[in-house]
Amino acid sequence: EDKVVQSPLSLVVHEGDTVTLNCSYEVTNFRSLLWYKQEKKAPTFLFMLTSSGIEKKSGRLSSILDKKELFSILNITATQTGDSAVYLCAVDRNDYKLSFGAGTTVTVRA
Amino acid sequence: SAVISQKPSRDICQRGTSLTIQCQVDSQVTMMFWYRQQPGQSLTLIATANQGSEATYESGFVIDKFPISRPNLTFSTLTVSNMSPEDSSIYLCSVEADTQYFGPGTRLTVL
Repeated sequence: EDKVVQSPLSLVVHEGDTVTLNCSYEVTNFRSLLWYKQEKKAPTFLFMLTSSGIEKKSGRLSSILDKKELFSILNITATQTGDSAVYLCAVDRNDYKLSFGAGTTVTVRA
Repeated sequence: SAVISQKPSRDICQRGTSLTIQCQVDSQVTMMFWYRQQPGQSLTLIATANQGSEATYESGFVIDKFPISRPNLTFSTLTVSNMSPEDSSIYLCSVEADTQYFGPGTRLTVL
C-alpha cells in the first residue's frame, strides 16, 4: 500500500521566518511528486518534481526531491501571513492516481 | 495548465437525498478524477472518469453510491446518492494536463 508521510503536521512561525516541510513516500510505479497549497477548498499547484537533486524555485518557495532516499522538502523563505495554509504533498503514479499525505498546516503570525 | 469550474460551490442537503456536482474544464482532457476530503482529513481518490469508458472506482467507493458521468472531454458529473451525515465533505474534481490541476471544490453538508 502506498504511503505518503508529511512532517510536521503543523507549525506556527512569525513573519520573516523560514520554514521547511518534509514529505517521505513509499509508492510503486512512481511518476512524480507534487506539492500543493490549500486555502479554503481548492489545492493550488506549486511544484512537480520528477528528477533527483534538481531544485525547483518559484519566488520565495523552493522544493527538491531525493529519489534515492524517497523524500522531498518544500522551503518557504521570508514567510508572510499570506503563506498561512495547508501544504499537501502527493505522489503521482504511472496510472496518474495521486496519493496524498495528511498535509502540514502552516500558520504565519504577523 | 487548466481552468476548472465546479457547481455548486456549496450545498446543505437533507439525509436520504442526492446531489449532483458538475465539473467543467476549459480544454479537452482525457483523464478526470474525483476526490473527497472529509473534515480534517487529506484528499482521497473516489474514481477516475475517462471519456468513452466506465468510471473506475477506488476501494471503498461504489458506483451505486457515487455514479459518475463523463459525456465529453470537458465535462463530468459526480452524484452523491442517498446521502448521510458521513458524506459531509469537500468534493473536488481534477484533470490531468501535464500535471494534475484541481477545481475549486464543492462543500457538502448533510443534515
